[in-house]
Amino acid sequence: QQQVKQSPQSLIVQKGGIPIINCAYENTAFDYFPWYQQFPGKGPALLIAIRPDVSEKKEGRFTISFNKSAKQFSLHIMDSQPGDSATYFCAAGQSGSARQLTFGSGTQLTVLP
Amino acid sequence: GAVVSQHPSWVICKSGTSVKIECRSLDFQATTMFWYRQFPKQSLMLMATSNEGSKATYEQGVEKDKFLINHASLTLSTLTVTSAHPEDSSFYICSGWGPRTGGAGNGYTFGSGTRLTVV
Repeated sequence: QQQVKQSPQSLIVQKGGIPIINCAYENTAFDYFPWYQQFPGKGPALLIAIRPDVSEKKEGRFTISFNKSAKQFSLHIMDSQPGDSATYFCAAGQSGSARQLTFGSGTQLTVLP
Repeated sequence: GAVVSQHPSWVICKSGTSVKIECRSLDFQATTMFWYRQFPKQSLMLMATSNEGSKATYEQGVEKDKFLINHASLTLSTLTVTSAHPEDSSFYICSGWGPRTGGAGNGYTFGSGTRLTVV
């Protein structure tokens, strides 16, 4: 019940494309869904996060879509750039508590120039 | 925004020696520190959770005598890899959690990671 399943494992798009990364969770107690971006040799950095009371959140070129009934959420990167090439992790947690985040397996994104 | 400073960023040590990794929360009180290990092209694997002033809780399969965690203050947590061996070579990341207001996400802030190589 603690799993967060992420797909695809890797993704290659052309510059300007819109990569989409999907995640699914099982635990209905989760109410905090962040996305992290990680560059090689660096720690994860929070990109954007959503709570289940909204179906979509947009920050700059990054958009999270959330489907509570399906227990799925996805990250869309608009107008992707080579600098977006990184590994992206979705996660799920319980807000307001010091409980661990449950991470997806990661998606390695390559944006070709 | 909240910052967790992690040092060193990389370290090479000889087999059998011990290595200490420090994580400091610079502008918030990290009541909880999570320690992760990450292998190449894999996700973060939680090793242990420590609460300030308490003993750490280790995940199944993680040797508590090998990976010593100290969280003596609200701004400092350390991970000591004792008697390191080549199989301990990995990327170690800390994440501080502290209750805070102001909409600073959900309180999780990651360090920049430490690349440990044991030769």
